[in-house]
Amino acid sequence: QVQLVQSGAEVKKPGSSVKVSCKASGGTFSSYAISWVRQAPGQGLEWMGGIIPIFGTANYAQKFQGRVTITADESTSTAYMELSSLRSEDTAVYYCARAGISVVVPAARHYYYYMDVWGKGTTVTVSS
Amino acid sequence: DIVMTQSPDSLAVSLGERATINCKSSQSVLYSSNNKNYLAWYQQKPGQPPKLLIYWASTRESGVPDRFSGSGSGTDFTLTISSLQAEDVAVYYCQQYYSTPPKYTFGQGTKLEIK
Repeated sequence: QVQLVQSGAEVKKPGSSVKVSCKASGGTFSSYAISWVRQAPGQGLEWMGGIIPIFGTANYAQKFQGRVTITADESTSTAYMELSSLRSEDTAVYYCARAGISVVVPAARHYYYYMDVWGKGTTVTVSS
Repeated sequence: DIVMTQSPDSLAVSLGERATINCKSSQSVLYSSNNKNYLAWYQQKPGQPPKLLIYWASTRESGVPDRFSGSGSGTDFTLTISSLQAEDVAVYYCQQYYSTPPKYTFGQGTKLEIK
């Protein structure tokens, strides 16, 4: 069963950038959409964007367009999320999650399905 | 954007009783080509990532107890816990994955507690 292992907690200054990693082990990585979802303290879930490693193309939520970059390295089965121009409101737990169906299965609509495997989360604190 | 609205925001139910959480989408998430509702439900306990419970609106994820069930179609959906157990205390989220280009949106969450 695939597991998603995320990098450790980060503390950043306002205006700086953070790059969080998500490494897949025990299963297939490249043929599933990998998404990034964040959760501010005491708040709900917010999708930031995702990537399908085998295709290499990323999709971003409009709110984060221009400030977030999602990439993937198939050779190491690792996805990355980089968020720039950090502000205090970006303090949150950042999760990576894998879509429930592989792109090997022809999609009726698109390949960003429900998310069945989640990383444990990476806490990013933005503070001066 | 498709807006997901859950009700109620919080809910207190006695052990062994039924819990019902509703989710309404601002537009239909039923895709006519495959007759599937692009709607999932997640459970999140404190300090843990979300856990997938239900997908395609009514398909239970492997390993999820059968007291959890999902229903609804189009814009109105329900998550039902038939007999509440202590371990079901959590926040529950609905999520649509219908949007094209892909964009997930979640409901605001419903906090379920024991009465």
